[in-house]
Amino acid sequence: DTGVSQDPRHKITKRGQNVTFRCDPISEHNRLYWYRQTLGQGPEFLTYFQNEAQLEKSRLLSDRFSAERPKGSFSTLEIQRTEQGDSAMYLCASSLDAGNYGYTFGSGTRLTVV
Amino acid sequence: GQNIDQPTEMTATEGAIVQINCTYQTSGFNGLFWYQQHAGEAPTFLSYNVLDGLEEKGRFSSFLSRSKGYSYLLLKELQMKDSASYLCAVREAAGNKLTFGGGTRVLVKP
Repeated sequence: DTGVSQDPRHKITKRGQNVTFRCDPISEHNRLYWYRQTLGQGPEFLTYFQNEAQLEKSRLLSDRFSAERPKGSFSTLEIQRTEQGDSAMYLCASSLDAGNYGYTFGSGTRLTVV
Repeated sequence: GQNIDQPTEMTATEGAIVQINCTYQTSGFNGLFWYQQHAGEAPTFLSYNVLDGLEEKGRFSSFLSRSKGYSYLLLKELQMKDSASYLCAVREAAGNKLTFGGGTRVLVKP
């Protein structure tokens, strides 16, 4: 296992377009998290899954954002009708239940909306 | 609500010691984590505290006082490669999400 993988690493899109990101967690990890990080800030929670169930979604997340984890393995995060304010690093992380090592993060997808 | 505060930036000299403080106010507590993040890279786990006291791991140590809502990360014998952002994060309930502070950018100078 090579850790948490995210694809693509970089995405440039025009305002109004839809984008989808993929995250492949560590295979034995049942929890998967999505965070967003802007320059000079800490990661901001978006949503998380336990297996295929989406257990929590941030109140800050608009209806344009949706995430899925259909078979409890990989996850996708879709942003519809992108806005310039969506430009950020989107980080995926995975963990075991109540792990004492927190999360293992992927390298992130950097989104630029022009 | 949740509030996690840490200084924005610190500068230190190679070979010296730096202490990064983190204060938190959360509705629950089930552990405090420190992560290191180099520019353009993913955060990597450094330390975990759930009970009061000091956890030492090589050049890095982390301290927790639950009654004061306070933690610090101590970096000793600083090296140039320690220049990075250091993120404090709190888990409010077992198995739940981490809430991160804004991060402290540490610059190590020769």
